[in-house]
Amino acid sequence: AQRVTQPEKLLSVFKGAPVELKCNYSYSGSPELFWYVQYSRQRLQLLLRHISRESIKGFTADLNKGETSFHLKKPFAQEEDSAMYYCALNSGGSNYKLTFGKGTLLTVNP
Amino acid sequence: GAGVSQSPSNKVTEKGKDVELRCDPISGHTALYWYRQSLGQGLEFLIYFQGNSAPDKSGLPSDRFSAERTGGSVSTLTIQRTQQEDSAVYLCASSLGLNTQYFGPGTRLTVL
Repeated sequence: AQRVTQPEKLLSVFKGAPVELKCNYSYSGSPELFWYVQYSRQRLQLLLRHISRESIKGFTADLNKGETSFHLKKPFAQEEDSAMYYCALNSGGSNYKLTFGKGTLLTVNP
Repeated sequence: GAGVSQSPSNKVTEKGKDVELRCDPISGHTALYWYRQSLGQGLEFLIYFQGNSAPDKSGLPSDRFSAERTGGSVSTLTIQRTQQEDSAVYLCASSLGLNTQYFGPGTRLTVL
């Protein structure tokens, strides 16, 4: 069975500090990994997906199959990054179901 | 263009009543998904539609839950004889094929 673990429920950093939100997954095949973000009073939206290998809003995430991780990183956090972040896995191919982690609430303090 | 919309945004009901939640996907999106977001459980997959058919209903928590989709567009999630544990935010998402899922704002259901 596929599983996504986000070990930190809460993460608090100061503006300008580096931030890393951890995500580990369990899946035997070749997964697709995603990070979704939910800002206060807004809908859940895609932040980035590993196959795109792009940087969005300064965030990057690298899929490490050896460690089964997909940690989200940003070198200099901004106050507007404060939000709930969800890591999600799709088993790929013709599959469609997203399995989400329980989320990490990031607070960036001024 | 317009995103995924859901109605109502909030629903308060009494235990034992039936409720219907509606989802309007992005126009042209063939796939539609329902998820449930509850405290302590995170986001759980409920059901997936491809067109009007639901090849995977495995996430529906009990036979009190059902969903349908008509015309390859609007979907309705029905919960019969609601229980307090059904209280959650119900999210709908749609995608073009099996690509990125776009989420609606959700319906917050409170069962008293």
